[in-house]
Amino acid sequence: DAKTTQPNSMESNEEEPVHLPCNHSTISGTDYIHWYRQLPSQGPEYVIHGLTSNVNNRMASLAIAEDRKSSTLILHRATLRDAAVYYCILTAGGYQKVTFGIGTKLQVIP
Amino acid sequence: EAQVTQNPRYLITVTGKKLTVTCSQNMNHEYMSWYRQDPGLGLRQIYYSMNVEVTDKGDVPEGYKVSRKEKRNFPLILESPSPNQTSLYFCASRWGQPNSPLHFGNGTRLTVT
Repeated sequence: DAKTTQPNSMESNEEEPVHLPCNHSTISGTDYIHWYRQLPSQGPEYVIHGLTSNVNNRMASLAIAEDRKSSTLILHRATLRDAAVYYCILTAGGYQKVTFGIGTKLQVIP
Repeated sequence: EAQVTQNPRYLITVTGKKLTVTCSQNMNHEYMSWYRQDPGLGLRQIYYSMNVEVTDKGDVPEGYKVSRKEKRNFPLILESPSPNQTSLYFCASRWGQPNSPLHFGNGTRLTVT
């Protein structure tokens, strides 16, 4: 199974951009890159996903390296409500096991 | 409202007493899955199901059973719970395509004494 590696924790000041990195060096050509976040006392929620091209939605942007071995979730202006654990995962049609790992705990400082 | 509903939210039980945690989704999703979340270990997949009557093991299936008799329901069964199954459990569902996002329930906190 393809694995991802993320820093355990990061800090950001409120209203500044945040770049959350994820390494996935064993990614295969059919793997999608998904990002989820988990707010305290809640289940994970979907943030964004992509395959090869950079993606934008109302929550965030996803920048995917040209070789697809890494990606970065970008929160353009961090708010206190963005304090959460962020997970980077890979999904593919060939297998359905999905391991979330520990994720990155983002602290937003007022 | 599209949602994944888990019941109960909290459960305290004793070792060896069979229990079932229910999971239901109203989005007609093909794929459903169970996860457990433990401090320092992240979310680990227990079982998943690609469709009715199709289930398969995740990373930590020991001590658990599942069934998928209807598309909307995916119960998690602990035939003989043990204290090491004390955890926070999440059910999730999505369409069959791998680019489809997962929708999670609100979790079930299980304590086995």
